[in-house]
Amino acid sequence: DTEVTQTPKHLVMGMTNKKSLKCEQHMGHRAMYWYKQKAKKPPELMFVYSYEKLSINESVPSRFSPECPNSSLLNLHLHALQPEDSALYLCASSQPGGNYGYTFGSGTRLTVV
Amino acid sequence: AQSVTQLDSHVSVSEGTPVLLRCNYSSSYSPSLFWYVQHPNKGLQLLLKYTSAATLVKGINGFEAEFKKSETSFHLTKPSAHMSDAAEYFCVVSSMNRDDKIIFGKGTRLHILP
Repeated sequence: DTEVTQTPKHLVMGMTNKKSLKCEQHMGHRAMYWYKQKAKKPPELMFVYSYEKLSINESVPSRFSPECPNSSLLNLHLHALQPEDSALYLCASSQPGGNYGYTFGSGTRLTVV
Repeated sequence: AQSVTQLDSHVSVSEGTPVLLRCNYSSSYSPSLFWYVQHPNKGLQLLLKYTSAATLVKGINGFEAEFKKSETSFHLTKPSAHMSDAAEYFCVVSSMNRDDKIIFGKGTRLHILP
């Protein structure tokens, strides 16, 4: 299995809702990532988990809460989002160290209304 | 600090003609370099990577890139463009701190003319 699977593919949520994005990989990768991508821009790093521990938080607002339950799963919990948080959210995985190349999921298209 | 510059925000080529997407990097060490492709509303796919082995790297879908340390470049080429190559391409460099970060260029949109 050489894929990163993200669910849901599309999500529309109100500003008072709570929702979660899910990401799964079975390649034995021990680093997992959340990225946010706005239209016509490169992805922006949000969080990095290495060996199931949060290693990088790029000063992301607390309305985004990551979770790594085990080495194959990564969640992003969303609460009280703003319309400007609407974007494509990408999950990726790799071996730790940054030199091996990432495998990206297809993303979740999030719209906050 | 390391950085990566994609010299063209848009490139247009005719189907069947060569593709050249330019990337220059800045780094005080020997970096790992990558090219990713992103089709509309899709995730990113790794095309190829350079990690200090052969300087000419072959990737998927007929793409290749050459690492030139003297020019600090890692340009992406393909001999003959296909309509399916129309997409956004990102040049990426690994972080000096080896801290699992990678640094993206701003991207080049490749348009294929029939």
